[in-house]
Amino acid sequence: GENVEQHPSTLSVQEGDSAVIKCTYSDSASNYFPWYKQELGKRPQLIIDIRSNVGEKKDQRIAVTLNKTAKHFSLHITETQPEDSAVYFCAASKETSYDKVIFGPGTSLSVIP
Amino acid sequence: DAGITQSPRHKVTETGTPVTLRCHQTENHRYMYWYRQDPGHGLRLIHYSYGVKDTDKGEVSDGYSVSRSKTEDFLLTLESATSSQTSVYFCAILIGPTDTQYFGPGTRLTVL
Repeated sequence: GENVEQHPSTLSVQEGDSAVIKCTYSDSASNYFPWYKQELGKRPQLIIDIRSNVGEKKDQRIAVTLNKTAKHFSLHITETQPEDSAVYFCAASKETSYDKVIFGPGTSLSVIP
Repeated sequence: DAGITQSPRHKVTETGTPVTLRCHQTENHRYMYWYRQDPGHGLRLIHYSYGVKDTDKGEVSDGYSVSRSKTEDFLLTLESATSSQTSVYFCAILIGPTDTQYFGPGTRLTVL
C-alpha cells in the first residue's frame, strides 16, 4: 500500500525566512496531494493541494511542487510569520479511491520572531 | 465549520470499559472517516463509511467498530478500551466538488 514519508520532523526558521517541507510517496498511482496545517489543540485544516496533472501551485505565500517521476512533493512557505507556526501534514491518495488517504507523520514548524 | 461536530470532546475511561464516540454532520455528505492521531504517526485511518450501513476498515481498525444508521451520524465504538487506544480521535467528511476532507474538532480520549 501507499507509504508517505515527510522531512524534516521539526523545523525552526527566523521570521521572514522561507520554510520547505518535503514528502515522498511510494504508490505511483497516487494523483492527489493535499497539505494540512494543524495549530496546537485544533483540527487539521487544508491549506493547499495539488493534482498530478499540475507541477506547481501557488496561493499567496505558500506553494506546492510535485515531481511525479521522483515521487516527491514539497511545501514552500515564503516570508514566514509567527502565525505560520504549526504542524504541517502532507498526504497522498488516488482521487477515485476515497478510502486511501495516507498522511505523513508531520512537521512541526516554529517561526522565531 | 462545515457542519461537523464530535461528542464528547474529552473523555477519561478505564481499561476494559466500552466507549462510543459520535460524529455528526448536517450537510448530507456521503463519505465519513474516523482517524486517530498520535505523536510521530500523523493521522491514521481507523474506519470509513461511504453511505448508510456501508463501512470498511482502514489501516488501524483492530479493536474498533463503527456504525452508520443515518447519513448524519457515524459512531466509533471501542468495545473494550485499552491504554493503547489513548489518543485524539478526529472525524472527517469528504466535501465536493474538490473532494477534500474536512475534519471535526476532535475528541481526546484517555484510557487509564
